[in-house]
Amino acid sequence: GNSVTQMEGPVTLSEEAFLTINCTYTATGYPSLFWYVQYPGEGLQLLLKATKADDKGSNKGFEATYRKETTSFHLEKGSVQVSDSAVYFCALSDQGLPNLGGRRALTFGSGTRLQVQP
Amino acid sequence: KAGVTQTPRYLIKTRGQQVTLSCSPISGHRSVSWYQQTPGQGLQFLFEYFSETQRNKGNFPGRFSGRQFSNSRSEMNVSTLELGDSALYLCASSLRPPSSYNEQFFGPGTRLTVL
Repeated sequence: GNSVTQMEGPVTLSEEAFLTINCTYTATGYPSLFWYVQYPGEGLQLLLKATKADDKGSNKGFEATYRKETTSFHLEKGSVQVSDSAVYFCALSDQGLPNLGGRRALTFGSGTRLQVQP
Repeated sequence: KAGVTQTPRYLIKTRGQQVTLSCSPISGHRSVSWYQQTPGQGLQFLFEYFSETQRNKGNFPGRFSGRQFSNSRSEMNVSTLELGDSALYLCASSLRPPSSYNEQFFGPGTRLTVL
């Protein structure tokens, strides 16, 4: 079955530091990959996505590249801010149709808490 | 446009009771998915509804059920509550069945505590 593995947190950084959160996946076929962010007391927000190998998703200074050869989708940001403090989830979606064995539901990693200190 | 709304936001029940949670999708969205979030198991898919039909189901016992109404609003029900059902239940809506091209928008969740 599908699975997503993320680095355990919390990750604590100083403001303006470089951020990397590692994510690797196991899936059959060619999944789409996502990063979601959850701020305290809120639901999940889509941060970025990539639908095929070598695609780079980017948003709000965050980037992640779909690496099929290493089955990875690491999240990076060059300079974090205090407002980036949140929990980050890596997820995948099987592109297959349910009646052909694919599942459209999202499979999430365990989440990585990021704490940015001023 | 209003986002996904979930009611109630917080709920406290005792073991053996049943509970119903409600989700109103974004206007025009016809697909609703439910997820359970716990510290131990993380985020797990419960089920997905589209046009009042359950299209996909996760690996949860039959105590967990759901339905979708003609206005796309969805409810999930948990019967015979167990302590392990304490979790944040998230609802997500999308225009059509979720895929890489149809983004899911999440609500704030309902925090269920079972005592």
